[in-house]
Amino acid sequence: QVQLVQSGAEVKKPGASVKVSCKASAYTFMTFGISWVRQAPGQGLEWMGWISAFNGDTDYAQNLQGRVTMTTDTSTSTAYMELRSLTSDDTAIYYCARAGAVMTTHFDFWGQGTLVTVSA
Amino acid sequence: EIVLTQSPGTLSLSPGERATLSCRTSQNVSNTYLAWYQQKPGQAPRLLIYSASSRFPGIPDRFSGSGSGTDFTLTISRLEPEDFAVYYCQQLGSSPWTFGQGTKVEIK
Repeated sequence: QVQLVQSGAEVKKPGASVKVSCKASAYTFMTFGISWVRQAPGQGLEWMGWISAFNGDTDYAQNLQGRVTMTTDTSTSTAYMELRSLTSDDTAIYYCARAGAVMTTHFDFWGQGTLVTVSA
Repeated sequence: EIVLTQSPGTLSLSPGERATLSCRTSQNVSNTYLAWYQQKPGQAPRLLIYSASSRFPGIPDRFSGSGSGTDFTLTISRLEPEDFAVYYCQQLGSSPWTFGQGTKVEIK
């Protein structure tokens, strides 16, 4: 069955960067995209952006523009999300989710989440 | 940005009762691009409904979605103990792909 397995929890200091991975299995990676969603403690879901594993197109949430980069490695069916210049506001669980390669109507499979804690 | 407003914030019901959750969008959203998710504590969200009314495979038929334009509804016909959770709507018709703030369905 389709699985997205994310990398482990991270603790970072303010100003640092974090890179979270999301390894896909049981489907043809290049025919879909990956979206990233985060959830601050006790809060709702925030969409961060999307990358097409087909052609590398990206779309980032405006409030993260310039700090976030999403990439894919089709040879390993892995997606990555890097967030730079971290602050305490970036403390959250980060999820990857399978999306469409060009258009998307929903996120059908989700990773287990990666907790990123930003603390001095 | 399309804002999604879910109501009520919390719904207190008993098992066996019917739950009706509302999602209103600040602009028209095509049915094709409206989805509903369920999230339980400590778990990732799970897709329930896509394209406003299509149940994702494996989702029980007590879950149904309806609506159009700016008003969408998720209905749980008879609540089972495992249905007590937080529910989110999402629009994917216009970037950014925004979520509602969630409705918590709790046991009365």
